[in-house]
Amino acid sequence: DAKTTQPPSMDCAEGRAANLPCNHSTISGNEYVYWYRQIHSQGPQYIIHGLKNNETNEMASLIITEDRKSSTLILPHATLRDTAVYYCIVRVAAAGNKLTFGGGTRVLVKP
Amino acid sequence: NAGVTQTPKFRVLKTGQSMTLLCAQDMNHEYMYWYRQDPGMGLRLIHYSVGEGTTAKGEVPDGYNVSRLKKQNFLLGLESAAPSQTSVYFCASSYGPPFLAPREQYFGPGTRLTVT
Repeated sequence: DAKTTQPPSMDCAEGRAANLPCNHSTISGNEYVYWYRQIHSQGPQYIIHGLKNNETNEMASLIITEDRKSSTLILPHATLRDTAVYYCIVRVAAAGNKLTFGGGTRVLVKP
Repeated sequence: NAGVTQTPKFRVLKTGQSMTLLCAQDMNHEYMYWYRQDPGMGLRLIHYSVGEGTTAKGEVPDGYNVSRLKKQNFLLGLESAAPSQTSVYFCASSYGPPFLAPREQYFGPGTRLTVT
């Protein structure tokens, strides 16, 4: 699976949009971009995924650049409960369905 | 629907003791996983299973054994605990093939293990 690079931490104001970048310059054509988050001490939680097109669900939006070398997770109206570590993971659909976690971005939402 | 549950939530062991962590899922998932997470780090895969009766090694399998006798349960064993195994252990599960896209994994709440 392709390696990802994320900033180690970022702050966000409550009620504002949080834009989390992820670089995956070595991504290959069959690799998907997945985002998970881990709220303090809890198990990771799936947020969203995409291949080429931008995606939106009830939690977030995922914007993937046309060359697919980077992506941005957008939390449209951050709340204090969005404070967590966010992991960007690039993976293929393959037997085993394994996840490889990097360091992630620690997001602190401030009042 | 409880999702993924883990037993116990906390445990303290002395060096050399053994124990088994239990993971159960009620979503009829084919695949199950055990991860460990050390302070300030991401999760690392210990072992996983692609179906009842099967197991496979992950990134950090040494010192652990696993069994999947029933589809809904995945057990992680420590035969002789060491202080380096102090960690938070997470279990996860997911649907199996067909893989039109990678399947999302559902995680349990974790087990905090301290080995003294």
